[in-house]
Amino acid sequence: AQSVTQPDIHITVSEGASLELRCNYSYGATPYLFWYVQSPGQGLQLLLKYFSGDTLVQGIKGFEAEFKRSQSSFNLRKPSVHWSDAAEYFCAVVDTNAGKSTFGDGTTLTVKP
Amino acid sequence: NAGVMQNPRHLVRRRGQEARLRCSPMKGHSHVYWYRQLPEEGLKFMVYLQKENIIDESGMPKERFSAEFPKEGPSILRIQQVVRGDSAAYFCASSDLVQTQYFGPGTRLLVL
Repeated sequence: AQSVTQPDIHITVSEGASLELRCNYSYGATPYLFWYVQSPGQGLQLLLKYFSGDTLVQGIKGFEAEFKRSQSSFNLRKPSVHWSDAAEYFCAVVDTNAGKSTFGDGTTLTVKP
Repeated sequence: NAGVMQNPRHLVRRRGQEARLRCSPMKGHSHVYWYRQLPEEGLKFMVYLQKENIIDESGMPKERFSAEFPKEGPSILRIQQVVRGDSAAYFCASSDLVQTQYFGPGTRLLVL
């Protein structure tokens, strides 16, 4: 069965500092991987996705993620965090046969001024 | 192109009542997924539907919960005889193929 682990429940960074959110997955084949962001009381917004090809993918709002098959990881990065990035971030893997997504438990990002 | 729409955005029910949550997928999308998010938790898959078919309901509770996606109209998630533990945010997502899912704003159900 597929699974997603986000080891960091809560991360605090200073505005302007770099950010890396970790995501590890378990899936039998080549995974479809996603990062979503959720602001309080809102739905999920897609940041970026990986299906195949270049292992470094660019997303919206200056985010990028790197797929590393050997480490079963898909970590999200941003070189310089803005106060508006404070939110909860979810990593997900899609079962390409069944369609359903499995989500990690999320990482809450706090941005210090 | 409007995104995924869900209504109502907030729903309050008393224990024992029925809750009906609606989801209109993005135009051109024929795949609908329902997820539940309990407070302080991630999203848990409930059910995957295509028009008039339930494809995967492995995440649906065995009792009181049902879902449909009729030929015409929105997808409906129905919870009968709600209990306090049903209080959660329910998200619908849609896709055109089994790939990128786009999420609606969610329905926040509160059971008193």
